[in-house]
Amino acid sequence: DAGVTQSPTHLIKTRGQHVTLRCSPISGHKSVSWYQQVLGQGPQFIFQYYEKEERGRGNFPDRFSARQFPNYSSELNVNALLLGDSALYLCASSLGIGSLSYEQYFGPGTRLTVT
Amino acid sequence: SQKIEQNSEALNIQEGKTATLTCNYTNYSPAYLQWYRQDPGRGPVFLLLIRENEKEKRKERLKVTFDTTLKQSLFHITASQPADSATYLCALEGSSNTGKLIFGQGTTLQVKP
Repeated sequence: DAGVTQSPTHLIKTRGQHVTLRCSPISGHKSVSWYQQVLGQGPQFIFQYYEKEERGRGNFPDRFSARQFPNYSSELNVNALLLGDSALYLCASSLGIGSLSYEQYFGPGTRLTVT
Repeated sequence: SQKIEQNSEALNIQEGKTATLTCNYTNYSPAYLQWYRQDPGRGPVFLLLIRENEKEKRKERLKVTFDTTLKQSLFHITASQPADSATYLCALEGSSNTGKLIFGQGTTLQVKP
């Protein structure tokens, strides 16, 4: 079975630009979460989506937004990019929410570099 | 606020020895705690989950303990191998029903042959 897939693998953008990152969860998983990981730190929670609804949001500015589609795939959008947005962006999928969200399976991530 | 601390210094051990990694947390009583492995440039890989009512959990060469009084989890790898070299992350449930995980900064383990 395919695991969580993310695209693109790498991305270079300029300050002020917009970026869209994509994630496809494991088949049968209905929840997707997004994390930002800066070099040398643990992942930091950005959003969780379940059944196309936002179920959790981390401490990130409104420049960050996301959505989930009927096939449970998800997009993370970041507007007005800053140098500090350079990071590995991780998508994680789980069966659902509550106890079904305990085990999360991460994708390989998208490496975003903002210059 | 909730805080998780892992040893920031890398842990270097000889092949065959037991590696022990520590995760301490404050200002929270999580329902569960998880351990992940992360290789450079890759996403974290789920290893073990232990619930608050469990003291110890094992999976092959891995063992996790969870002391809710001390607010600490220990992660053991027995008979370590060079292939075990990676960064290990501890994660707590951030809030119920959201799937939000709060991660520690990770401890890098280097197993020397």
